[in-house]
Amino acid sequence: DVKVTQSSRYLVKRTGEKVFLECVQDMDHENMFWYRQDPGLGLRLIYFSYDVKMKEKGDIPEGYSVSREKKERFSLILESASTNQTSMYLCASRLGTNYGYTFGSGTRLTVV
Amino acid sequence: GEDVEQSLFLSVREGDSSVINCTYTDSSSTYLYWYKQEPGAGLQLLTYIFSNMDMKQDQRLTVLLNKKDKHLSLRIADTQTGDSAIYFCAEKIGGKLIFGQGTELSVKP
Repeated sequence: DVKVTQSSRYLVKRTGEKVFLECVQDMDHENMFWYRQDPGLGLRLIYFSYDVKMKEKGDIPEGYSVSREKKERFSLILESASTNQTSMYLCASRLGTNYGYTFGSGTRLTVV
Repeated sequence: GEDVEQSLFLSVREGDSSVINCTYTDSSSTYLYWYKQEPGAGLQLLTYIFSNMDMKQDQRLTVLLNKKDKHLSLRIADTQTGDSAIYFCAEKIGGKLIFGQGTELSVKP
């Protein structure tokens, strides 16, 4: 089974801190995605990557950046965390455009 | 534009059927999906339907697609307490998935 692993289940950070959320997949998937999930809003796409060193903005990229130096790892970076970035963050990967997504278990980030 | 809408809550009794509804706006979607999210977990793919199909059945799950009305539904027969979760519909447009807000299904014994 494909596994998508997010390094932390829960994180608490202070306003203004730089925050790294890590996601690793173990099945050589080409595409990787970062979503945030908020009650009543569903999942909103932050950034995605179709290949190593490639990145594309999703629907809500403001305040975030990403890094994909290796195929298996896709990092989400909050340059200066703010309280409105308190959320559940979900990483997903897929083999290619015509394949289904596999999701990680999520990281619940609280910014205080 | 791309928009997927679901009602936020549904409550049913154990053994009843549950019907979760979803509407979408973009008629160019190729596939439509149902995902399940249990508490504290990521999303698992439950089932999907190709946009040129009307219905798909998979054990207790029945997916109905009305392309004219842009309406998708998921019926769960004989709902069990283990079906309590958030259910997301999603449409695939180009290479991206657009998700609805999620419907929280509560199953009462």
